[in-house]
Amino acid sequence: AAGVIQSPRHLIKEKRETATLKCYPIPRHDTVYWYQQGPGQDPQFLISFYEKMQSDKGSIPDRFSAQQFSDYHSELNMSSLELGDSALYFCASSLRSNVYEQYFGPGTRLTVT
Amino acid sequence: AQTVTQSQPEMSVQEAETVTLSCTYDTSESDYYLFWYKQPPSRQMILVIRQEAYKQQNATENRFSVNFQKAAKSFSLKISDSQLGDAAMYFCAYNSGTYKYIFGTGTRLKVLA
Repeated sequence: AAGVIQSPRHLIKEKRETATLKCYPIPRHDTVYWYQQGPGQDPQFLISFYEKMQSDKGSIPDRFSAQQFSDYHSELNMSSLELGDSALYFCASSLRSNVYEQYFGPGTRLTVT
Repeated sequence: AQTVTQSQPEMSVQEAETVTLSCTYDTSESDYYLFWYKQPPSRQMILVIRQEAYKQQNATENRFSVNFQKAAKSFSLKISDSQLGDAAMYFCAYNSGTYKYIFGTGTRLKVLA
């Protein structure tokens, strides 16, 4: 069965640079979610989208923005990167009718040096 | 605000033995879902088991079962016949039908040969 695809899987950036993470949901899933997991921490919800509209927002820094496109894929844009942004970024997807059943992608490991 | 607490940062179990991981949560909602996720060294988030709050029967998936005590807001995971491949971080998570999962801080499970 198809799973959530995230690209790139690993990314190394320097401070103050910009990064773009991409997420391709499971086919027919219309809702995507972004989570951030710092070293030794639990995943924290950042933001979610349904039908290209932001549906919920968590502790996402103002330096980050995200959007969902008409094919339901999503991109997380991160600017003015800081050392503290180094983390594993998960994307998850689901049907809007079943937010209880989120499927997680493999994550993008971002390292800021 | 909903919270999820895992009070055991680390647990150890002998291979083939049984171990129980604890999770408590706080919510004023009456309808919600609880989850246990496994995160092996690959960092992939793998759903282990899911419990719907309105179901009194405890969920079971092969060697994994839960003890769901709604009144006590407790949701423990029992792993029977532990295997080396069970070694991982285990996260308890909560969702009340909103877009975000709320995770506990995790329990690292070590399986001793």
